[in-house]
Amino acid sequence: EAGVAQSPRYKIIEKRQSVAFWCNPISGHATLYWYQQILGQGPKLLIQFQNNGVVDDSQLPKDRFSAERLKGVDSTLKIQPAKLEDSAVYLCASSFGTAGAGGYEQYFGPGTRLTVT
Amino acid sequence: DAKTTQPPSMDCAEGRAANLPCNHSTISGNEYVYWYRQIHSQGPQYIIHGLKNNETNEMASLIITEDRKSSTLILPHATLRDTAVYYCIVRSDLKTSYDKVIFGPGTSLSVIP
Repeated sequence: EAGVAQSPRYKIIEKRQSVAFWCNPISGHATLYWYQQILGQGPKLLIQFQNNGVVDDSQLPKDRFSAERLKGVDSTLKIQPAKLEDSAVYLCASSFGTAGAGGYEQYFGPGTRLTVT
Repeated sequence: DAKTTQPPSMDCAEGRAANLPCNHSTISGNEYVYWYRQIHSQGPQYIIHGLKNNETNEMASLIITEDRKSSTLILPHATLRDTAVYYCIVRSDLKTSYDKVIFGPGTSLSVIP
């Protein structure tokens, strides 16, 4: 079974530029998550999709970050314009999202390491 | 804020059992306990989860206290490859509930030769 795919793996941009990350979840997984992980900290949830609907984006800085999950499969996360403090690893994860007996175990991609200079 | 507390770091001798504690004193009846680990420069990896019964899989065992206010992840024979940050999180499993998923700073486990 293929895992969660993310691209690019690394990205370096200057502040005020824009950047986009792509995620392809595990086939059949209804729930998709985007996390931001700053060095030395645990992952912080930015947005959670159930199929193609947003169920939690309370920690997404909506003035500069946007995300979409067209057709309930692939997803993109965009930052425009980037700030220095956006330097982090951006992780995508997916889960079945089936109620009952767990089903919310998340499978993570390798992440995209973003450096904003 | 995370719903769990964990010690920031622990050491374990190679070949010995690693016991990683997690406190979740405010856990509610429909919340499961999940454990993940993150090896350096990789994405987190799911390990195990449970509701109230002890659970075991090929990676680890999960022991949940009877009052469900704490749990322990046990790696029975730690190897150097088990050196990682271990995260304990709790989340609801109800279809109508989309709990905010919160990772704390986790426990940094160092397995020593």
